[in-house]
Amino acid sequence: ILNVEQSPQSLHVQEGDSTNFTCSFPSSNFYALHWYRWETAKSPEALFVMTLNGDEKKKGRISATLNTKEGYSYLYIKGSQPEDSATYLCASNTGFQKLVFGTGTRLLVSP
Amino acid sequence: DGGITQSPKYLFRKEGQNVTLSCEQNLNHDAMYWYRQDPGQGLRLIYYSQIVNDFQKGDIAEGYSVSREKKESFPLTVTSAQKNPTAFYLCASNPARGPQYGYTFGSGTRLTVV
Repeated sequence: ILNVEQSPQSLHVQEGDSTNFTCSFPSSNFYALHWYRWETAKSPEALFVMTLNGDEKKKGRISATLNTKEGYSYLYIKGSQPEDSATYLCASNTGFQKLVFGTGTRLLVSP
Repeated sequence: DGGITQSPKYLFRKEGQNVTLSCEQNLNHDAMYWYRQDPGQGLRLIYYSQIVNDFQKGDIAEGYSVSREKKESFPLTVTSAQKNPTAFYLCASNPARGPQYGYTFGSGTRLTVV
């Protein structure tokens, strides 16, 4: 089974801090890398889907990069706000197979 | 608004009983998925379906069953054979037969065995 690892497990930052998380995955037979934001009592929401080595995607203050050769992706949040508090999940797959999720990074942003 | 509806939000089941969790989508998505979340673990795939009347086992299918008689519906039955059914269950869908598209998730059902 594909193994997707995320770090750190949790993070507590102050409003205005910038932060980043890591997702590592097997680089062989890579197909796609997904990032999701999961706020408490809500549904996970897709942030980015990346498929190409060197991909960089941005959505407001959140951006992500992808390195398929070494098997990692970074998610960056610039100027964190309390509403960014959530669990951030990454998921990957090989070939055309089903997604495998990491355990997530729980972010808490204090005002 | 299009989306995925899971019901009920909370479900209590007595040991030895079967129970069915509902998942309905109005997104016209071909593929649907059931995941399970346990504390400290990532989402684990139970079953998935890429087309009506067809479905495949995921990584933890034992003790579960599904059906896909309509495109918009993918109910999950937790049978009495599932040894540890207490968990949070999430249903998801995506528009194509493959994960190169982002998933849309429901809001989940929390099942507790009493």
